[in-house]
Amino acid sequence: QVQLVQSGAEVKKPGASVKVSCKASGYTFTSYGISWVRQAPGQGLEWMGWISAYNGNTNYAQKLQGRVTMTTDTSTSTAYMELRSLRSDDTAVYYCARDHMTTVTLRGPWGQGTLVTVSS
Amino acid sequence: QSVLTQPPSVSAAPGQKVTISCSGSSSNIGNNYVSWYQQLPGTAPKLLIYENNKRPSGIPDRFSGSKSGTSATLGITGLQTGDEADYYCGTWDSSLSVWVFGGGTKLTVL
Repeated sequence: QVQLVQSGAEVKKPGASVKVSCKASGYTFTSYGISWVRQAPGQGLEWMGWISAYNGNTNYAQKLQGRVTMTTDTSTSTAYMELRSLRSDDTAVYYCARDHMTTVTLRGPWGQGTLVTVSS
Repeated sequence: QSVLTQPPSVSAAPGQKVTISCSGSSSNIGNNYVSWYQQLPGTAPKLLIYENNKRPSGIPDRFSGSKSGTSATLGITGLQTGDEADYYCGTWDSSLSVWVFGGGTKLTVL
């Protein structure tokens, strides 16, 4: 079955960087993309961006441009999301979700989520 | 402030029907497909409806979706206590070039 397994919780200081991984299984990784979505405590969902595992094309939310980088390692079927210059309002659960190869459709399935806490 | 507007909460009794609205504009709902997601407490969101009214495999037909103009609606019939969750609508916004979500609706089954 299709499964996305994310890395464990992280605690970071303001100004630091975090890199979250998302290991896919149960399907051909390079035939799909991956979207990243975050959810601050008690808040709604926020789409962060998308990467095609087919050709590495990316589409980032303008709000995060310059601070976020999404990559894939096709040899291990793993997607990564790095967020730099962390602030307290980056504290959230970060989800990866399987997506379309060439566009954002967010049909999932979703990973279990990774809690990133930014605190001094 | 979310781009898509949903009621913060809805409630109904077990066995009854409930609808959740999602209002947007021509740059999002009006010209793109709408999806709906269910987020049970402490879990990741799950796709319920895609392309306005299609159900993924495994989603019961108690869940339905519709779209008219710049609004979309999720319907749930035969409510069960296990349906208590947060529900989100989502779609692409062609002007902002981002996927946008509604603020979420908390469903309580009384």
